[in-house]
Amino acid sequence: DIQMTQSPSSLSASVGDRVTITCRASQIISTYLNWYQQKPGKAPKLLIYSASTLQSGVPSRFSGSGSGTDFTLTIRSLQPEDFATYYCQQSYSSPRTFGQGSKVEI
Amino acid sequence: QVQLQESGPGLVRPSETLSLTCIVSGGSISSYYWSWIRQPPGKGLEWIGYIYYSGSTNYNPSLKSRLTISVDTSKNQLSLKLRSVTAADTAMYYCARVTTLTYGEYFHLWGQGTLVTVSS
Repeated sequence: DIQMTQSPSSLSASVGDRVTITCRASQIISTYLNWYQQKPGKAPKLLIYSASTLQSGVPSRFSGSGSGTDFTLTIRSLQPEDFATYYCQQSYSSPRTFGQGSKVEI
Repeated sequence: QVQLQESGPGLVRPSETLSLTCIVSGGSISSYYWSWIRQPPGKGLEWIGYIYYSGSTNYNPSLKSRLTISVDTSKNQLSLKLRSVTAADTAMYYCARVTTLTYGEYFHLWGQGTLVTVSS
């Protein structure tokens, strides 16, 4: 199985901050990498697919980059509604696997 | 728009079979892959498996020996059966529609989830 490791596991930030979350795969996965946002009591929501393609309707302050084994999710200017947990997920091989999550707190 | 709604018993006894249903409304189940994903309380996400509308499946090896995912196109729904459950199977269970790409895929539409607790 491909292991997905996110860092940090949690972070504290303020409205307006630039936030960066990294995701590392245990083997090369090209750009087969997706990012999801999950708020408490809600299902995850797709933010970015194929490492850097913004899902329709997602604010442009979210961006993704990377290829191979190292990936980054950036929130350019953190908004109150962005406080949530973020997960990366690989679709390169089966079983599909997720990172452990990165919680963004106030 | 397409909506997914999971349903299930809520409480399952250890060693019994967990049975869940996901009803797809607002669109056809045909021509898509569908997936089950679970999340233990306070923990991360675990992919359970896929089914194509034609019935072909791909399961997580960690669950494969206990798992059956099926689809009923006439009812526009998919189902999950997990046998011989233990407390480790306690989780929120989500169904999701998969969008496939030339390279890769992603979980696009999600149900709200149904919480299953395994306890005597």
